[in-house]
Amino acid sequence: DAMVIQNPRYQVTQFGKPVTLSCSQTLNHNVMYWYQQKSSQAPKLLFHYYDKDFNNEADTPDNFQSRRPNTSFCFLDIRSPGLGDAAMYLCATSGRERARGTDTQYFGPGTRLTVL
Amino acid sequence: DAKTTQPNSMESNEEEPVHLPCNHSTISGTDYIHWYRQLPSQGPEYVIHGLTSNVNNRMASLAIAEDRKSSTLILHRATLRDAAVYYCILRDVGWAAGNKLTFGGGTRVLVKP
Repeated sequence: DAMVIQNPRYQVTQFGKPVTLSCSQTLNHNVMYWYQQKSSQAPKLLFHYYDKDFNNEADTPDNFQSRRPNTSFCFLDIRSPGLGDAAMYLCATSGRERARGTDTQYFGPGTRLTVL
Repeated sequence: DAKTTQPNSMESNEEEPVHLPCNHSTISGTDYIHWYRQLPSQGPEYVIHGLTSNVNNRMASLAIAEDRKSSTLILHRATLRDAAVYYCILRDVGWAAGNKLTFGGGTRVLVKP
């Protein structure tokens, strides 16, 4: 089945130690998103790629970066994780073939990040 | 994206219908109403969307008020697998960059056996 895959599902890192989360998709969608979801909160968009164009949300900290080497893969880099960065990180995709306002986003299962 | 208001939580018995309300009094004429749900320890998944008319699919029904200031997601026969947080989200028809989802608080649905 076509899907959005996130690895690893659980990631433990140390305070200040860079960490990379990965996302891959078999849907051939042109848009890929990264959301952060802290405990008992709703997901919050960090940034997204529209094809190769990177779009950062205004309130996303500089500590968060992203790379998209090709259509299928997207990475989230946290340069110096702090305790407040512990969260579930969700990757999602959507395609441009749908009419405006009606496209569906497909989410991966998420990576739960723990910062020690 | 315009804001939505949902109850924090709702309880239902298994096999009974669940009606999840969503208020969106500031909705614009170009906003679609989307519903997503998030099962425990999973990413959100699409449920249904609509603009003006009521919509049905295999997962649920969406009833939209005539003035579009509110809508109701209907799960016809709740099962234990329907226990999740349900998010009502408005999305403009314009192709804003990435067409992002802005999640509100959502409604946590508890299904009792």
